[in-house]
Amino acid sequence: DAGVTQSPTHLIKTRGQQVTLRCSPKSGHDTVSWYQQALGQGPQFIFQYYEEEERQRGNFPDRFSGHQFPNYSSELNVNALLLGDSALYLCASSHRDRGGKLFFGSGTQLSVL
Amino acid sequence: QKEVEQNSGPLSVPEGAIASLNCTYSDRGSQSFFWYRQYSGKSPELIMSIYSNGDKEDGRFTAQLNKASQYVSLLIRDSQPSDSATYLCAVNAGGTSYGKLTFGQGTILTVHP
Repeated sequence: DAGVTQSPTHLIKTRGQQVTLRCSPKSGHDTVSWYQQALGQGPQFIFQYYEEEERQRGNFPDRFSGHQFPNYSSELNVNALLLGDSALYLCASSHRDRGGKLFFGSGTQLSVL
Repeated sequence: QKEVEQNSGPLSVPEGAIASLNCTYSDRGSQSFFWYRQYSGKSPELIMSIYSNGDKEDGRFTAQLNKASQYVSLLIRDSQPSDSATYLCAVNAGGTSYGKLTFGQGTILTVHP
């Protein structure tokens, strides 16, 4: 049973560029959430997708956008990258009825230079 | 005031001792509470969930919830060096915020032989 898979594992970008991160949820899960984790901090909620729609959104600017596909996989897009966007981006999947019981992928480490 | 606050670490305990991790939250309407463990360089994994006041035990772990005091704790009995990790407290407000988890900053636990 495959867990949550994310790609790529590492990414280096420069300021102003755009990036797309990808996530495939655990088998049987229909909900995907994205979190940003800065070094030494807890994860911060970016948004959650269910039934191909954004269901919840955290306090992130519109530069952060996402998408969910019919097979439940998801993408996180960040436009106009800033140095402060450097962080570990975590994808978490869950079943729609099990709110906080998240299964996390291994993350994408994004460095913005 | 932070929405979810954990006791400042790092916390160091000897092998075999009880480790006590504490967390307070600001949203009195919060409904679900979780403890995640994150090893260095890895992603968070769920170890405990608790929804009602009182204690919940699972092996060496006991989660305690006091909604009146807006307080959640995690006790680890017979601590082992393999328990050394960052422990993240997470809160779900429920209702329209069903899908969103708010994490604390984490407490680093070191169990020394």
